[in-house]
Order: sequence, then structure tokens, then C-alpha cells
Amino acid sequence: NAGVTQTPKFRILKIGQSMTLQCAQDMNHNYMYWYRQDPGMGLKLIYYSVGAGITDKGEVPNGYNVSRSTTEDFPLRLELAAPSQTSVYFCASSEGSTSGRTSSYEQYFGPGTRLTVT
Amino acid sequence: AQKITQTQPGMFVQEKEAVTLDCTYDTSDPSYGLFWYKQPSSGEMIFLIYQGSYDQQNATEGRYSLNFQKARKSANLVISASQLGDSAMYFCAMREDYGGATNKLIFGTGTLLAVQP
Repeated sequence: NAGVTQTPKFRILKIGQSMTLQCAQDMNHNYMYWYRQDPGMGLKLIYYSVGAGITDKGEVPNGYNVSRSTTEDFPLRLELAAPSQTSVYFCASSEGSTSGRTSSYEQYFGPGTRLTVT
Repeated sequence: AQKITQTQPGMFVQEKEAVTLDCTYDTSDPSYGLFWYKQPSSGEMIFLIYQGSYDQQNATEGRYSLNFQKARKSANLVISASQLGDSAMYFCAMREDYGGATNKLIFGTGTLLAVQP
């Protein structure tokens, strides 16, 4: 299994440009997440999805959009890039259950995309 | 208010010694989970250990153990017999289970651990 894959690894954008960060997982996980990590900080949740066709905002959704048309893929769209979006972006996935919390359901992370907006 | 607090921005430990990384959390949800992740300089996030709020025993995974003190709302990570490869950033995270099973995690700001030979 490849686990969670992300492309590209690095990208430099000019202010106002748009791009899509790709994320795919081959573990048949229903739940997927996008986080950003600013220098010296922890991860903050941008968007998440509990299944194909279902997405919801996290803590810092402004300036981003997502879609989830398949279980495997969860792309993150940046519209009108701004310097404040310079960050490392992580995609993650996990199993999920609506009944009981007897398992950890830990999140598996991709390698990250380092984005610079200048 | 911070939901996850890691008060140690950086720590040093001698190789083969044990080290404790602090984490306190804030939640009113009776059902929650606590996680520790390791982030080496290469950047990936590696899951280390999990503790559920209803677990009676402290979690252990090899050289990692989680010192869970529910009344004090602390979930400290203990690494025994430190190795040079343990040098990394360590993040504490919490999952709150109210409002449905979304598995969303809230992360602390991390502790940078340096293991010295």
C-alpha cells in the first residue's frame, strides 16, 4: 500500500494564482482531512470529509475549497493565493465509526506539500 | 482557551535516558482520545500512541508510554532509553467525540526534542 500520497511536494505560487493540491489514499478510509502547518506551530484543520460527497469546514477554511467525489481522492483548491497561505499542507485519512469509541482511529498522514506564495 | 497545551518548546535529553514531554488538555466532553505524533526533520507525521478517555490503563507502545492523569487533564509522553533517532518534534493531539464521529484532531504547538550523545 502506498498509504496517503500528496502531489506536488513543493510549489511556488504568485499572489492571485490558483492551484489544486492533490491527495489520494489506498486504504479505503472513509474519513479524510486537510491540515496546514505554519512554521513552529501545530497543525490546524482546514477541511474534512467523512465520506464521498460529504465535506465540512475545519478551523481555518477561508481561502480554500474541497471536493470528495470518490473515497480515494480529496483535493484541496486554493483560489486567489495570498502570502498568508504560505505553509506546509498535510492530507490525512482514517477509519471511522459512528458507534462507540473503542478504537484509536488514528490518522495516517501524507508527506506534505510545501507551498510558498510570493 | 487552548484546548491542547504543550508548555515545553524544546527539550534536551542524554542518549539512553528517559524523557517526559508534557501535554495538558481542556475539554468538557466525557468521551475523547489523546494522541502523540512524531515529526522528524524530514517532515512526515508518525503516529506513536493513543489513550482513550475511558481506558483504565496507561497506554504503552514499545519505548513510548502515556502517563494519563484524567483528573489533572494531562497526557504526558514518556520515552524510555532515548535514542539519537528520537530527535524530532512531538505533537500532542486530542479528538473530542461529541457531535458525531468525525475524528477531527486538535493539535498542540509541539515540543522539539534533541537527544544528545
